[in-house]
Amino acid sequence: QKEVEQDPGPLSVPEGAIVSLNCTYSNSAFQYFMWYRQYSRKGPELLMYTYSSGNKEDGRFTAQVDKSSKYISLFIRDSQPSDSATYLCAVKKTSGSRLTFGEGTQLTVNP
Amino acid sequence: DTAVSQTPKYLVTQMGNDKSIKCEQNLGHDTMYWYKQDSKKFLKIMFSYNNKELIINETVPNRFSPKSPDKAHLNLHINSLELGDSAVYFCASSQEPAGDPETQYFGPGTRLLVL
Repeated sequence: QKEVEQDPGPLSVPEGAIVSLNCTYSNSAFQYFMWYRQYSRKGPELLMYTYSSGNKEDGRFTAQVDKSSKYISLFIRDSQPSDSATYLCAVKKTSGSRLTFGEGTQLTVNP
Repeated sequence: DTAVSQTPKYLVTQMGNDKSIKCEQNLGHDTMYWYKQDSKKFLKIMFSYNNKELIINETVPNRFSPKSPDKAHLNLHINSLELGDSAVYFCASSQEPAGDPETQYFGPGTRLLVL
């Protein structure tokens, strides 16, 4: 069983839609939860991270962690064509330990 | 200024050859990583170095040998290349464990194609 499961998509939405991206993980020891965005032919860049459970908002992006169900989500409001990218969730047990990535979800926002 | 740079960007080579990929970061970070991303975009860590010391060594064939001459550089040498080595290799760096624990900065990737 993979430590982090993520639906690879592809996901295609119209501009302005609310996008929901999700991951599940198997090990309750994970405490850090990240979302990376990767544009085509570029390296991943950190979008948001959360420590433990709860929500975190940054502009149009909201990251949500539910440790009881081992479920992490990224919501994008008012999606834009510039949001078209692959979104990777990542988890980590402690500071200094390795990052484990999900497979990534390819998102296309159509104008 | 490029924070994490890799050379070359593209590498096409024959099976059995030996090749190296170089990585440099100018962020002053202590920790550097090599990741492999396959055709399905699955990103998996290979190695991690902290201050030139190997701290993570995943189950990677010993044909792959990382080398860190100083904390700003982490190179990856691959011997006897195989078809399955074709992938995008990313270098990354972070300032761990102090500071923001989770910001890993990735390079642009090296696209390796083994024929």
